[in-house]
Amino acid sequence: ELKVEQNPLFLSMQEGKNYTIYCNYSTTSDRLYWYRQDPGKSLESLFVLLSNGAVKQEGRLMASLDTKARLSTLHITAAVHDLSATYFCAVDIARGSTLGRLYFGRGTQLTVWP
Amino acid sequence: GAGVSQSPSNKVTEKGKDVELRCDPISGHTALYWYRQSLGQGLEFLIYFQGNSAPDKSGLPSDRFSAERTGGSVSTLTIQRTQQEDSAVYLCASRIGASAYNEQFFGPGTRLTVL
Repeated sequence: ELKVEQNPLFLSMQEGKNYTIYCNYSTTSDRLYWYRQDPGKSLESLFVLLSNGAVKQEGRLMASLDTKARLSTLHITAAVHDLSATYFCAVDIARGSTLGRLYFGRGTQLTVWP
Repeated sequence: GAGVSQSPSNKVTEKGKDVELRCDPISGHTALYWYRQSLGQGLEFLIYFQGNSAPDKSGLPSDRFSAERTGGSVSTLTIQRTQQEDSAVYLCASRIGASAYNEQFFGPGTRLTVL
């Protein structure tokens, strides 16, 4: 079964700093998604990465995908308090009967402090 | 337009009782998924419906869990004889089609507490 590992699981960072969250997965896939979850809320889609070398940016967040290394990164630039949330990566191996099923990492709980 | 909706938002039940959780997907979305989120297990896939095809039930943890989707739209997840380990947030998601190139949109979830 596909394993998805995120690290770190907890991240506390000061406003204005940069950091990267890593997402490794165990089998071939070129479909990776990043979601954000605020406390008590559902999952909000951030990025959809669908090919090797894909890079997407939205505000202070940038996501990339390296399918050969089975690695995605979520880079945070000049963090602000509003980015505090839990971030999940999810992989879709999209084969046969498993089509569309997402395998999630454990999530990275990000806290940005002044 | 309206997103995925779920009801109830919270459900507290006693061990051994049956519960039904409802999901209304985004209109026109043919694919519907159920996941659950718990502290110990993270986010787990439960079941997947795509159009009129037989559902993928491979994630259901036991035969106490079942789900149906009527008319290709609304879905109901039923848990029979609930146990305390069933306590979790149950999330529904929908997608416009089977293609993995489309993202899944999640509903707000139903928080189930089994006493």
